[in-house]
Amino acid sequence: NAGVMQNPRHLVRRRGQEARLRCSPMKGHSHVYWYRQLPEEGLKFMVYLQKENIIDESGMPKERFSAEFPKEGPSILRIQQVVRGDSAAYFCASTQGARYNEQFFGPGTRLTVL
Amino acid sequence: AQSVTQPDIHITVSEGASLELRCNYSYGATPYLFWYVQSPGQGLQLLLKYFSGDTLVQGIKGFEAEFKRSQSSFNLRKPSVHWSDAAEYFCAVGAVEYGNKLVFGAGTILRVKS
Repeated sequence: NAGVMQNPRHLVRRRGQEARLRCSPMKGHSHVYWYRQLPEEGLKFMVYLQKENIIDESGMPKERFSAEFPKEGPSILRIQQVVRGDSAAYFCASTQGARYNEQFFGPGTRLTVL
Repeated sequence: AQSVTQPDIHITVSEGASLELRCNYSYGATPYLFWYVQSPGQGLQLLLKYFSGDTLVQGIKGFEAEFKRSQSSFNLRKPSVHWSDAAEYFCAVGAVEYGNKLVFGAGTILRVKS
């Protein structure tokens, strides 16, 4: 049973470009969380999604960031017009459902904005 | 607001010595608690978790943690540290009432000297 998969593992973008980060949850998991880890900090919650629904986006910056989890395919975290401050590691985690509280983390995508 | 405090940013212990990493939380709901370990450039690996029941929980790699509700603490311990334990350790709390999103501490970097 494959774990949570994220790609790419490393992503380099120039200021103003778009970044797309993908997360494939574990088999049988329908809930995904995205977290951001800035350099030398802990992880901060960004968004919580169910298939085709955003449940909680209270941690998402108001502009340039969006997330989706379509019926088919991976969850996508999209950052438009990236700035240097977006450089961070982005982790996703998945669970079976709202009543299942253990989250399984992917290896992360490390975004570098030049 | 929910918060997790890991008061020690860095800890250095000798190989074979005992270890205790501190974690205090402030949370408005009945929490469940986790300890994760992260090696440089890697994702998060779950060491142990507390949901309910026995307040002393055993984890992988010889780690244990004790939940003390009266002190709002969940300290991580290991009786004898190995050089391979050098990594960053994160304490996290969550609750079903908050959609299970995790709140992380800032982390403690463990260095092991031989």
